[in-house]
Amino acid sequence: QLQLQESGSGLVKPSQTLSLTCAVSGGSISSGGYSWSWIRQPPGKGLEWIGYIYHSGSTYYNPSLKSRVTISVDRSKNQFSLKLSSVTAADTAVYYCARAGITIRLGATLIWFDPWGQGTLVTVSS
Amino acid sequence: QTVVTQEPSLTVSPGGTVTLTCASSTGAVTSGYYPNWFQQKPGQAPRALIYSTSNKHSWTPARFSGSLLGGKAALTLSGVQPEDEAEYYCLLYYGGAQLYVFGTGTKVTVL
Repeated sequence: QLQLQESGSGLVKPSQTLSLTCAVSGGSISSGGYSWSWIRQPPGKGLEWIGYIYHSGSTYYNPSLKSRVTISVDRSKNQFSLKLSSVTAADTAVYYCARAGITIRLGATLIWFDPWGQGTLVTVSS
Repeated sequence: QTVVTQEPSLTVSPGGTVTLTCASSTGAVTSGYYPNWFQQKPGQAPRALIYSTSNKHSWTPARFSGSLLGGKAALTLSGVQPEDEAEYYCLLYYGGAQLYVFGTGTKVTVL
């Protein structure tokens, strides 16, 4: 059973770069048919999709964050990472990683999201 | 900027039925947006319920169902249980830009 676990600094100073890693266990990050996402949730607010990376290395980002976000894959460590630069207090949130699967069943394309990591709180403060 | 809108809050009695909707600012939601629905309880990570409009995960209770309704994605809870009290989020895929957008979320209260 695939599991995801976020890790990284829980406290980041304003203007610095937030760095998080999502470790994948129980399966290979290099398997085809999947993308690997980062999602965040500010305290008391809704979910925001940050971006994702395919096993091929192709990346797609939320336009509102695109200038500050980098998602990368480390296949040797079976993990993927998030970097968010020039952070402000507005970037304080619980950050989740998740896998999306794309399958074709009876001629129809299906997209599903599972599993999710448990989430990690990142606070931006001096 | 694309906005996906859900009802802020809904209240339902135990055993009742409630329908949550998910609308896109770009127009009608179709199966091509691959609507996904998630349930989130306080302090927990979201849990997937429905994928690609109406498909259930193996763990999704039978009382949850997904559909398209009047140009929106919809999640219907039938025979609501107290444990269904939670926040529910939809997620749409915009294929042209290859990006996802979460809905604003619906707080369901069972009362």
